[in-house]
Parts: sequence; C-alpha cells; structure tokens
Amino acid sequence: EDQVTQSPEALRLQEGESSSLNCSYTVSGLRGLFWYRQDPGKGPEFLFTLYSAGEEKEKERLKATLTKKESFLHITAPKPEDSATYLCAVQAGSSASKIIFGSGTRLSIRP
Amino acid sequence: NAGVTQTPKFRVLKTGQSMTLLCAQDMNHEYMYWYRQDPGMGLRLIHYSVGEGTTAKGEVPDGYNVSRLKKQNFLLGLESAAPSQTSVYFCASSYFRDRGPTEAFFGQGTRLTVV
Repeated sequence: EDQVTQSPEALRLQEGESSSLNCSYTVSGLRGLFWYRQDPGKGPEFLFTLYSAGEEKEKERLKATLTKKESFLHITAPKPEDSATYLCAVQAGSSASKIIFGSGTRLSIRP
Repeated sequence: NAGVTQTPKFRVLKTGQSMTLLCAQDMNHEYMYWYRQDPGMGLRLIHYSVGEGTTAKGEVPDGYNVSRLKKQNFLLGLESAAPSQTSVYFCASSYFRDRGPTEAFFGQGTRLTVV
C-alpha cells in the first residue's frame, strides 16, 4: 500500500537553530514529490517539486532533497515567520488519484 | 490573478441538510480537486476532474457529489450532511504534463460544521 509518513509531528526551534523535516514514502512508482507550506486558516502553498533521487532545490532558508525512500526539508537559520505546517505529497502514478499527502510537520520558531 | 477562490468560507449545517461548495480558478488549469483536511489525517482526495464535463472518485467520495460544467468551476455537493462530514474542505487546481499533475494551487478553504 502506498504510504507517506512525515516526522516529527511537531518541532519547536529557537530562531537561528537549523534543523530538518523528514518525509518517508513507500510507493510503487514515484512520479514526483511535492513540498507545501500551510499557515493556520489558509490553504497549502507550493514550495518545491522533486522528481528523482539526488535532486535538490532551494528557496531562501529552505532546501529540499530527495532519495529513493525519503525527502528532507532542511531549514537553515530559521526565523519566526517560517513557523507553519509543512506538508509533503507524493505522486505515485500519472493519475491525479495517486497523489498522497502526509499529515504534516508543525514547525514553530521562537524568537 | 485571484488564483483559486472558494465560497463560502464558513458554514454550519444541521444533519440532513444539503449544500454546495463552489470553487473557481482563473489559471486555465485542466485539473481540479476537492480535498478534506481533518486533524492528524492530512489531506484526503474526495473527487477530482481532469477536464470540463469529467469527474472521478478519489479516496473518500461517499456522501459527496461533484460537477464540472465549466472548465473554471468545480462544485462539491453534500446531499444529506452528516456530523462525520465536519471538516475543512480545500479546492485545488493544477496543470497536467507528461509526468502527471503538476503542483497544485489551493483555495483558502471552507470550514464546515455539521451539527
């Protein structure tokens, strides 16, 4: 069964304290992996798409990486405005019904 | 551009009542989706559409119906609301490329409570 697991469920960091969020997956054929950011009371906002193992993408303090079994979202020197829930989604086939979301990591950055 | 717009933003229904949630996108996307988001469960796909006049079931379609009469609009209907349908509903849209659907653009959500 296709599955996406995100860890930890919640993470509290001090401003400037770098860390990583994990998204591990078991799917029969990865077509793509997406990272989204979701602020309270709002819809998810797209961050990155990764297609193959070894691929990396960066945006400001965020860097996403992909292996054959998991993806990491590295956050370097975070600021309070980086506080949000980060969602990972895996596309396990060409059908739209094959997009599976993880339950997210709730990130809180203390000033 | 407005992107993806959902109406209403909040709604309280009594058990057995019906309602329709409207989603509109102005990005000319082929794909549109309805998700529900519940605490600890992530986003779950209810129904989706790959183009005007077509719809398909997702992971949790029971109790919902959808229609896509125009490319820019995707409607989600609840014929007889149940407390288990209390959730936050998100509409999304995306392009389709050779690899499959691209990244999705989401609306702001509709918070529905069924009492």
